[in-house]
Amino acid sequence: GQQVMQIPQYQHVQEGEDFTTYCNSSTTLSNIQWYKQRPGGHPVFLIQLVKSGEVKKQKRLTFQFGEAKKNSSLHITATQTTDVGTYFCAESQGAQKLVFGQGTRLTINP
Amino acid sequence: DSGVTQTPKHLITATGQRVTLRCSPRSGDLSVYWYQQSLDQGLQFLIQYYNGEERAKGNILERFSAQQFPDLHSELNLSSLELGDSALYFCASMANYGYTFGSGTRLTVV
Repeated sequence: GQQVMQIPQYQHVQEGEDFTTYCNSSTTLSNIQWYKQRPGGHPVFLIQLVKSGEVKKQKRLTFQFGEAKKNSSLHITATQTTDVGTYFCAESQGAQKLVFGQGTRLTINP
Repeated sequence: DSGVTQTPKHLITATGQRVTLRCSPRSGDLSVYWYQQSLDQGLQFLIQYYNGEERAKGNILERFSAQQFPDLHSELNLSSLELGDSALYFCASMANYGYTFGSGTRLTVV
């Protein structure tokens, strides 16, 4: 079935450095959602992208959906310790389920 | 508080046993989705219920079953437990944008 590949699996940065995680699919995605899961926590919805080439920003976070709707990225500018966690992309397949990428675990050296 | 309530938060049980995990969706939400998150793994979709009816099935083992009751709470039953069933189990309901997850039940099989 449809799979969403996410890279990298792990990323360690110094506080203040930027961070990017990428989500790729071999087929066209109907949409892409991004979630953040803090250590010991549950996934929390960040944003949904639907349109080809869409770019959305939330403070230091920038989300992009590729022109071909086969990839997406999340970029964090000037990371802070509060950004620590695992970031997941997911495709919402109708009203039936989310198909998640494997996630990128971000750790930050203060 | 996400509004999705899961109990218990932690569960430790022996191999071969049976457990029941409970989820109450947000008020007014008719859908419940169950996900499994194993250590260092992504989120795997198990099953979805909508207004008491099963709507979609994912990678759910035959030893696992679920149901949604008239008051819309849902139960996930895991039987003949194996060590490999140790995981976090989340339920979620679908909002207008994105899914809202409960805080999860951490199951440890010893």
